[in-house]
Amino acid sequence: AQSVSQHNHHVILSEAASLELGCNYSYGGTVNLFWYVQYPGQHLQLLLKYFSGDPLVKGIKGFEAEFIKSKFSFNLRKPSVQWSDTAEYFCAVNARAGGGNKLTFGTGTQLKVEL
Amino acid sequence: DAEITQSPRHKITETGRQVTLACHQTWNHNNMFWYRQDLGHGLRLIHYSYGVQDTNKGEVSDGYSVSRSNTEDLPLTLESAASSQTSVYFCASSIVPTDTQYFGPGTRLTVL
Repeated sequence: AQSVSQHNHHVILSEAASLELGCNYSYGGTVNLFWYVQYPGQHLQLLLKYFSGDPLVKGIKGFEAEFIKSKFSFNLRKPSVQWSDTAEYFCAVNARAGGGNKLTFGTGTQLKVEL
Repeated sequence: DAEITQSPRHKITETGRQVTLACHQTWNHNNMFWYRQDLGHGLRLIHYSYGVQDTNKGEVSDGYSVSRSNTEDLPLTLESAASSQTSVYFCASSIVPTDTQYFGPGTRLTVL
């Protein structure tokens, strides 16, 4: 079965600092990869996704993620965070052939950006 | 605009009562999903449906049931609520099962 690990559970940064959130998955086949964000009191929304092609994908609000197949990783990055990026971030994976068409989510990373 | 709504947004109930959480989407998506969100666990899949009359169990389906009588709705029923079912419940839908899921605003359920 597929699983997703997010190693950073809580991250606190100052505005303008750079961000990198780790995501690793366990599945050897072809995967679709997602990062979702949940702002305080709001529902989850898609930040970016990777299905195939260029392993560096860009999403909304200046976020990007890099798929490294050899490391089973899909880390999220942002060069300069803003206070408004305070939210919980979830990595999710769908193993297209063996995942039963279901998403598996990581446990989430709570990001707090301080002024 | 198309959307996905959930009701109620907040509910308090007692142990042993039957509770139904509503999910309604106007995206006309065939695929619908129910998750629960708990601290330290992220989102876990409860049930899902790929179309009318189709329902499937997810990883934490015990104590829950769903039915799909039309494209727009996938109500989630807790047959006999337990304190362990206190959680935030999210409904989602997608065009293709493997693609982006669109989430509702969530229902915060407290079982006393």
